Amino acid sequence: SQQGEEDPQALSIQEGENATMNCSYKTSINNLQWYRQNSGRGLVHLILIRSNEREKHSGRLRVTLDTSKKSSSLLITASRAADTASYFCLLGGSNYKLTFGKGTLLTVNP
Amino acid sequence: DAGVIQSPRHEVTEMGQEVTLRCKPISGHNSLFWYRQTMMRGLELLIYFNNNVPIDDSGMPEDRFSAKMPNASFSTLKIQPSEPRDSAVYFCASTDIGREAFFGQGTRLTVV
Repeated sequence: SQQGEEDPQALSIQEGENATMNCSYKTSINNLQWYRQNSGRGLVHLILIRSNEREKHSGRLRVTLDTSKKSSSLLITASRAADTASYFCLLGGSNYKLTFGKGTLLTVNP
Repeated sequence: DAGVIQSPRHEVTEMGQEVTLRCKPISGHNSLFWYRQTMMRGLELLIYFNNNVPIDDSGMPEDRFSAKMPNASFSTLKIQPSEPRDSAVYFCASTDIGREAFFGQGTRLTVV
């Protein structure tokens, strides 16, 4: 069944650096969403990109989608310690089914 | 709107007991999803509904799990009988098809 594969599984960077996470998938999608989850907390929506879009921005976030490669990337620029969290892609597939990737654990060191 | 509301936030129960998790989706949303999160398996989709009708329950792990959506403003996920391996955080989400999915704060279930 459809599930996103995210890489890297874990990423550790210094404050001020950029962080890039990738999500790859197997079957076609209608849209893709990115979420952040702080340890033990709820899921916070970051951005939604539709299958006919290639790039979206929101503040320090940049998301790209390449449907030919079946992959998406999330870029966080000028990272802060508060960006430390797990990041998940949520794939909007056929029949409007929403399935998660496995997530990337980002640690931003002050 | 208060967002997606789940109850209870925490549940501790003994093995063999029935557990019922509840979810109130955002008014006007036509899709509702139940997920389970564990360290080992990540965020798994258990079941989802469109317009109160179950569309795909292939993620429900066993017959011990059942879910209902009697109306557009309420859904339940029931585990009977519960087992220690059911311990997890259960999330409910609602969405207007094709748009942003909103998640509840989750129910942390511990089965001892």
